[in-house]
Amino acid sequence: DTGVSQNPRHKITKRGQNVTFRCDPISEHNRLYWYRQTLGQGPEFLTYFQNEAQLEKSRLLSDRFSAERPKGSFSTLEIQRTEQGDSAMYLCASSSPGEVEAFFGQGTRLTVV
Amino acid sequence: AQRVTQPEKLLSVFKGAPVELKCNYSYSGSPELFWYVQYSRQRLQLLLRHISRESIKGFTADLNKGETSFHLKKPFAQEEDSAMYYCALYTGGFKTIFGAGTRLFVKA
Repeated sequence: DTGVSQNPRHKITKRGQNVTFRCDPISEHNRLYWYRQTLGQGPEFLTYFQNEAQLEKSRLLSDRFSAERPKGSFSTLEIQRTEQGDSAMYLCASSSPGEVEAFFGQGTRLTVV
Repeated sequence: AQRVTQPEKLLSVFKGAPVELKCNYSYSGSPELFWYVQYSRQRLQLLLRHISRESIKGFTADLNKGETSFHLKKPFAQEEDSAMYYCALYTGGFKTIFGAGTRLFVKA
């Protein structure tokens, strides 16, 4: 599968712990997006990278959330001091230069207990 | 405010019946709209976009700026069309706003 890859697929963590998710985009895509999806809702935009630069962040992204894309390839999303409200599906997507269509990964389902 | 509304959470139709999944948007600029689909146990994927004005898997969607709508239609539903459908609005700045989704269930 040469599509967008996300790891892990599932993560269960205790409240207060830190978690980190990884996204590997399609190799020639320079644009990378993180979304969060809760039950019964569509994906909500969190942040956007063009190459290694984080160009846009949603107000949903509190200071406990940080995302990086150090070499313009894979990206990580870290949540510090997790809360039960952080339980959601975290989706990564990528797109090629000048293209709006986003290709999504399978997502990482986070459960905070 | 920028918003996408899909009024139906669930739509159930019989195989062979016409299907219309509703989508309304709120956006002051020139909208670019999409329909994404998620089949069971698969990732979210693009179904169609309004600027291409094409039919994909028998589905079409027409942008109606007067009614601020982008409804998805198919004249004869198939069982394999059962999936979750999301209407999405691209607002520029590389940000896409998704609706809450409509689950389409096509009964045999």
